[in-house]
Amino acid sequence: SQQGEEDPQALSIQEGENATMNCSYKTSINNLQWYRQNSGRGLVHLILIRSNEREKHSGRLRVTLDTSKKSSSLLITASRAADTASYFCATDAGGTSYGKLTFGQGTILTVHP
Amino acid sequence: DGGITQSPKYLFRKEGQNVTLSCEQNLNHDAMYWYRQDPGQGLRLIYYSQIVNDFQKGDIAEGYSVSREKKESFPLTVTSAQKNPTAFYLCASSISRDIRSPLHFGNGTRLTVT
Repeated sequence: SQQGEEDPQALSIQEGENATMNCSYKTSINNLQWYRQNSGRGLVHLILIRSNEREKHSGRLRVTLDTSKKSSSLLITASRAADTASYFCATDAGGTSYGKLTFGQGTILTVHP
Repeated sequence: DGGITQSPKYLFRKEGQNVTLSCEQNLNHDAMYWYRQDPGQGLRLIYYSQIVNDFQKGDIAEGYSVSREKKESFPLTVTSAQKNPTAFYLCASSISRDIRSPLHFGNGTRLTVT
């Protein structure tokens, strides 16, 4: 199975609400990254959190990492219709994996105006 | 503007034909990657290259080939040996092979083989 597994598979909310997506992984990591993909397009890097960090913020995004539980969460606050996209977590394999990332299956977020 | 260009956006081929997908970057990045994405799935790594004239197999390299003759270019050939080639193909690059380097993606090529 894949290193990163997102939960839920799909999330539907109203504009202004917060959206929380979770990612679990199996092996030790050096860092965990979150990406966003609009339909039919490439992925865009959102945020990277290192294994020795517990929380990181970027604008309306908040990422947490719990290495003891091998899990991460992405919180989008005050969501907008433009946040509608698929969100993926990506992990490296640890050690000297040199940027080789493994992606989860993604969470499809729909924000209704 | 710097970025990654994948062409064409849509590609149609008959079964049994080889096809080459183009990926060009002007970001001066050392590392380049090819991923495959199937509907409702995450990305799976096909091949990656950390430096010119060198590349490594990813998780699903069978039926694919690549070359890295120039820093800017990393074309992917889908051969007739690939049993299920219809998919969305994404090319990416990163500034270095440093594990903290985020990936920059192109907008993909959707390949349909009939």
